[in-house]
Amino acid sequence: GQSLEQPSEVTAVEGAIVQINCTYQTSGFYGLSWYQQHDGGAPTFLSYNALDGLEETGRFSSFLSRSDSYGYLLLQELQMKDSASYFCAVRDYQEDKIIFGKGTRLHILP
Amino acid sequence: EAGVTQSPTHLIKTRGQQATLRCSPISGHTSVYWYQQALGLGLQFLLWYDEGEERNRGNFPPRFSGRQFPNYSSELNVNALELEDSALYLCASSPGTGGVYEQYFGPGTRLTVT
Repeated sequence: GQSLEQPSEVTAVEGAIVQINCTYQTSGFYGLSWYQQHDGGAPTFLSYNALDGLEETGRFSSFLSRSDSYGYLLLQELQMKDSASYFCAVRDYQEDKIIFGKGTRLHILP
Repeated sequence: EAGVTQSPTHLIKTRGQQATLRCSPISGHTSVYWYQQALGLGLQFLLWYDEGEERNRGNFPPRFSGRQFPNYSSELNVNALELEDSALYLCASSPGTGGVYEQYFGPGTRLTVT
């Protein structure tokens, strides 16, 4: 079967660093994407990893280990505006569909 | 460049009725995806259209259907509405059949079934 697992909630302090993990199980795998969704808003694309390693985009970084079927999103210098839900997503090329995790709600404390 | 647009913003229907939701992708994008986001359940893949053809569908009953028009806009139809169909319906587009890299989402249609 296909599944993506990520924590339902994570809490961190403003200015700190937080890591949101995602493990996946799919028939086929192209790459791992991350999306951010604020309350009442639409998901917006953050990053994509097709190869093992770390991709950095400003305060956000994303990591992938294909051998471990695992990835994470790293958010640095947390700001209050980072309070949102974060979704990981994969495309299963054998099932030919895109699968999203259930999302991680990030709470940031002042 | 205009983003993905969806209409209507809100839709209220009664059980047993039909709902039609519309989506216009970003200019140049040929793939359109539909997702259902019910409270606390994340994004559930509904349908994927590319170049006018249904590419794949998620684990939803046949009363969820749709189509893609020659201008790549898309329509989602939900027949025989049930209370549990109440959710936010999101449309996304991407250039080509990939969608592997990134999808651009519209603001969604909030469907309420009473």
